[in-house]
Amino acid sequence: EVQLLESGGGLVQPGGSLRLSCTASGFTFSSYAMSWVRQAPGKGLEWVSSISTSGGSTDYGDSVKGRSTISRDNSKNTLYLQMNSLRAEDTAVYYCAKEGWGGHYFDYWGQGTLVTVSS
Amino acid sequence: QVVVTQSPSASASLGASVKLTCTLSSGHSSYAIAWHQQQPEKGPRYLMKVNSDGSHDKGDGIPDRFSGSRSGAERYLTISSLQSEDEADYYCQTWDTGIHVVFGGGTKLTVL
Repeated sequence: EVQLLESGGGLVQPGGSLRLSCTASGFTFSSYAMSWVRQAPGKGLEWVSSISTSGGSTDYGDSVKGRSTISRDNSKNTLYLQMNSLRAEDTAVYYCAKEGWGGHYFDYWGQGTLVTVSS
Repeated sequence: QVVVTQSPSASASLGASVKLTCTLSSGHSSYAIAWHQQQPEKGPRYLMKVNSDGSHDKGDGIPDRFSGSRSGAERYLTISSLQSEDEADYYCQTWDTGIHVVFGGGTKLTVL
């Protein structure tokens, strides 16, 4: 059974930093691209960032580009998102998602971790 | 860059069928898309991928009541024999050059 378990969310002050983690199980982690998707309170889904199987290729949404870094450790089956210079508008539930075969779509999702940026 | 458009809301009666629409922007009518369901207070769940030829690949455990299709730049999610638990937000998602992912704004489905 595929499982994705996010952690690392919490309350952080504006301008602060946070690192989210996603521990994967139930599939060969190193064989699949992975992504982060977020959802602000009462809003829709917003793609944040994606990373290739080896970690050699990454991409970011405009709202986090330059402030966030996605990475992965295939030996630990873990995906990360380092977020810096956090703003109130970064407040959201952050989901880890596994990509499927044949395209950048998400066939499994984690349960999410809440990040609140507030003073 | 591709843009994905969804109607904000839809409704249908218990036991009836409903067809949700996702429209791809001009020049992107051949793109595949994925449908995701988000029930209230839950995380998203993958339903299916609708390929450029109209075929679809469903996720694990998705009932036969859910099906996908296409016509031109439109992609459809049809839910038959509506049940109360189908009341949810439904998101269409595609991807552009590289690994740039795009979501539609979502459709809130109400089961009457």
